[in-house]
Amino acid sequence: EVQLVESGGGLVQPGGSLRLSCAASGFTFSNYWMNWVRQAPGKGLEWVANIKQDGSEKYYVDSVKGRFTISRDNAKNSLYLQMNSLRAEDTAVYYCARARWSIDPFDIWGQGTMVTVSS
Amino acid sequence: QSALTQPASVSGSPGQSITISCTGTSSDVGNYNLVSWYQQHPGKAPKLMIYEVSKRPSGVSNRFSGSKSGNTASLTISGLQAEDEADYYCCSYGGSSTFVVFGGGTKLTVL
Repeated sequence: EVQLVESGGGLVQPGGSLRLSCAASGFTFSNYWMNWVRQAPGKGLEWVANIKQDGSEKYYVDSVKGRFTISRDNAKNSLYLQMNSLRAEDTAVYYCARARWSIDPFDIWGQGTMVTVSS
Repeated sequence: QSALTQPASVSGSPGQSITISCTGTSSDVGNYNLVSWYQQHPGKAPKLMIYEVSKRPSGVSNRFSGSKSGNTASLTISGLQAEDEADYYCCSYGGSSTFVVFGGGTKLTVL
């Protein structure tokens, strides 16, 4: 079964850091661009970042540039999101999602992990 | 990166058809045939329903169809069923600088 499972969410204080993980199974992870998409409580979807199959290209939404870093380990079939200098507005459910190429739609999504930034 | 514009809500009775619009700009929706639509039930992950404006992934009902005219894309659901009640999000490629932009979402209520 093709599956993405996120982990690492939780409660963190403003200015703090958190590292999210996404474990992939059931498909050849190294063949896909991978993405992080977030959804603030009661709000819509927002694309956060993506990374090329070999990790050589990475792109971010403006609001997280310089604070978040996306990475992957193809040997471990895993995607990561290192989040630093967290703000209240980063509070959201974070989903990982795969796409065949950078312009392709997100055809498989994980169940999401909740990140709450609050003092 | 501005969000695409969708109506906040639409409704319809079982068996009817509804259309959800998604308005962008000449930099995203109008410039690429790379519009996709996602269905999201409460507490669940989004599900891809339409890609490349009008293509359906395997397993998605043919009651779902997509189209585009200029800077506006549309999702039409025919023969409404109770299980179609969900939030729907459009999404477009926005070029190498913007990359991906979503609409604000539309809540579909089946009366």
